[in-house]
Amino acid sequence: DTGVSQDPRHKITKRGQNVTFRCDPISEHNRLYWYRQTLGQGPEFLTYFQNEAQLEKSRLLSDRFSAERPKGSFSTLEIQRTEQGDSAMYLCASSLEPAQFFGPGTRLTVL
Amino acid sequence: DQQVKQNSPSLSVQEGRISILNCDYTNSMFDYFLWYKKYPAEGPTFLISISSIKDKNEDGRFTVFLNKSAKHLSLHIVPSQPGDSAVYFCAARDQTGANNLFFGTGTRLTVIP
Repeated sequence: DTGVSQDPRHKITKRGQNVTFRCDPISEHNRLYWYRQTLGQGPEFLTYFQNEAQLEKSRLLSDRFSAERPKGSFSTLEIQRTEQGDSAMYLCASSLEPAQFFGPGTRLTVL
Repeated sequence: DQQVKQNSPSLSVQEGRISILNCDYTNSMFDYFLWYKKYPAEGPTFLISISSIKDKNEDGRFTVFLNKSAKHLSLHIVPSQPGDSAVYFCAARDQTGANNLFFGTGTRLTVIP
């Protein structure tokens, strides 16, 4: 399977804990995006990478969120000191412009 | 402020008939429009796109129409099949920044056998 993969698929954590998600994009795509989707809404942009450079961050990405893409390959999204409002589906997409191809998402539940 | 709007949360269509899903947008800087299909517990799947310089793009049973003056696009599925039942998201690309996508809130399509 050469699509976008994400790990884990589900994460349940207690408020205040840190969590980290991983995304493996389609190998020939140099752009990688993170989105967040809550119930009844479409995905909302969080941040994006061109190769290893993080070029833009949305105002949704508070200081508790950090993303990396070492060596321009896989990416990680870390949320520190999780809050109940962080509960959502976190989606990763890699891009062969103009289309973006999404992974299956990581569903985060903060108790 | 929602820049991409899908005003119909749901649509039911008989198998074999045409499904028409609508989308409106406000930002004239969008340069591409895309439709995605989403099943529960999966990420959105890319269906079809259209450049802002075109008014129609067709791929098999799927056709997207763009009316720039009205800032409106639609996805036509014909003939509709039960396997088309899913949530459909309209998305628009902002060419001025990260090329990130702005999504509507989705329309749940149910195709009745």
